[in-house]
Amino acid sequence: EIVLTQSPGTLSVSPGERATLSCRASQSVSSSYLAWYQQKPGQAPRLLIYGASSRATGIPDRFSGSGSGTDFTLTISRLEPEDFAVYYCQQYGSSLPYTFGQGTKLEIK
Amino acid sequence: QVQLVQSGAEVKKPGASVKVSCKASGYSFSDYYIHWVRQAPGQGLEYMGRINPNSGGTNYAQEFQGRVTMTRDTSISTAYMELSRLRSDDTAVYYCARDPGRTGFLEWLSHYMDVWGKGTTVTVSS
Repeated sequence: EIVLTQSPGTLSVSPGERATLSCRASQSVSSSYLAWYQQKPGQAPRLLIYGASSRATGIPDRFSGSGSGTDFTLTISRLEPEDFAVYYCQQYGSSLPYTFGQGTKLEIK
Repeated sequence: QVQLVQSGAEVKKPGASVKVSCKASGYSFSDYYIHWVRQAPGQGLEYMGRINPNSGGTNYAQEFQGRVTMTRDTSISTAYMELSRLRSDDTAVYYCARDPGRTGFLEWLSHYMDVWGKGTTVTVSS
């Protein structure tokens, strides 16, 4: 089973600034099968990025994903108040289970 | 619009079973896989398995093998997840989510989840 480790656990950033979130895999992941989700309190996760770098429908272009192999990054270029949430990466390897990172909480500085 | 509507909260005793439903609307239910994911209080996301609504075929995560059963009723565009022999650590929010790949003859999975239900809270307590 591939383990995803997200860092940092909590990131404090001011609105308007840039946030960079990391997701590291215990073994190589196909870029086609790396996704990012946003989750706000009391809500279901929301798909942001799939295929490591493709934005989901309706996702603003301030969200971008990059990376390959074992290192992936989610970047939010100019933080809006509604972007403060928990972010999860998710991967699919050659067999189940899909695994998720433990999450990065993005909080207002 | 495309949505997944889940059944209401459940309270169960240890050892019992729970069956959660997930009704799809706004798209052709049989054409897309449904995944199930759970989230314990204050914790991260845990993958449980998936069902092909077209064929009824299922794949379960090893951790849940023998305790989980995923089914569907295509006549009412609804998927179900039943978890048996409940324990206190099964207390969680259970989500269904759609995979935007396709079922059928030229089947393929995207292996991510583009539409999520709002979740069903299952509490296991004596």
